[in-house]
Amino acid sequence: DIQMTQSPSSLSAFVGDRVTITCRPSQSVSRFLNWYQLKPGTAPKLLIYAASNLQSGVPSRFSGSGSGTEFTLTISSLQPEDLATYFCQQSLSIPFNFGTGTRVEMK
Amino acid sequence: QVLLEESGGGVVQPGGSLRLSCAASRFSFNNFAMHWVRQAPGRGLEWVAFIRDDASNEYYRDSVKGRFTISRDNSKNVLYLQMNSLRPEDTAIYYCAKNPEGGSRVPNAFDVRGQGTLVTVSS
Repeated sequence: DIQMTQSPSSLSAFVGDRVTITCRPSQSVSRFLNWYQLKPGTAPKLLIYAASNLQSGVPSRFSGSGSGTEFTLTISSLQPEDLATYFCQQSLSIPFNFGTGTRVEMK
Repeated sequence: QVLLEESGGGVVQPGGSLRLSCAASRFSFNNFAMHWVRQAPGRGLEWVAFIRDDASNEYYRDSVKGRFTISRDNSKNVLYLQMNSLRPEDTAIYYCAKNPEGGSRVPNAFDVRGQGTLVTVSS
């Protein structure tokens, strides 16, 4: 199984800050890497698929990049509604494992 | 707007069975691969099962293989998850999800559009 490591596990930033989250699969997943936002009591929301494709309806301040074994999710200007936990997930091979999550808090 | 409505959850004793359903609407259901994912209380997300758009292949995580069966009825736009021999560790909110793009050779990802259905396995 491919293990997914995210860093940092949590971060605190000001509104308007640029925020970057890193995901490192235990082996290359090419560009088969997705990002999700999870807020308490709500369903997970797909943000980015195939490393850099912005899901329909997702604000353009979210972007994804990377390939192989290193990927990043960037929020260009953090907004109060972005308070959430973010997960990466690989879809190269079964099982489609998720990362351990990065909790984003506001300063 | 795409709709996916999960149902069928509930409280069941260990060893029991449940059948989850996911009613799909406002998109070409028969053109999209579908997934079940779950979130256990206080834990992260876990992929459970995947079925291709034409139901030609099914895939499962090891912990549910042989106990869960994913299926679909493209004539009714419904996805199912038959869960047998349930265990306490299967307790979670179960979400159905579509791929973000239709077709058979597209990246898999989980576009969740419903609120999920809660399965509780407890004696």
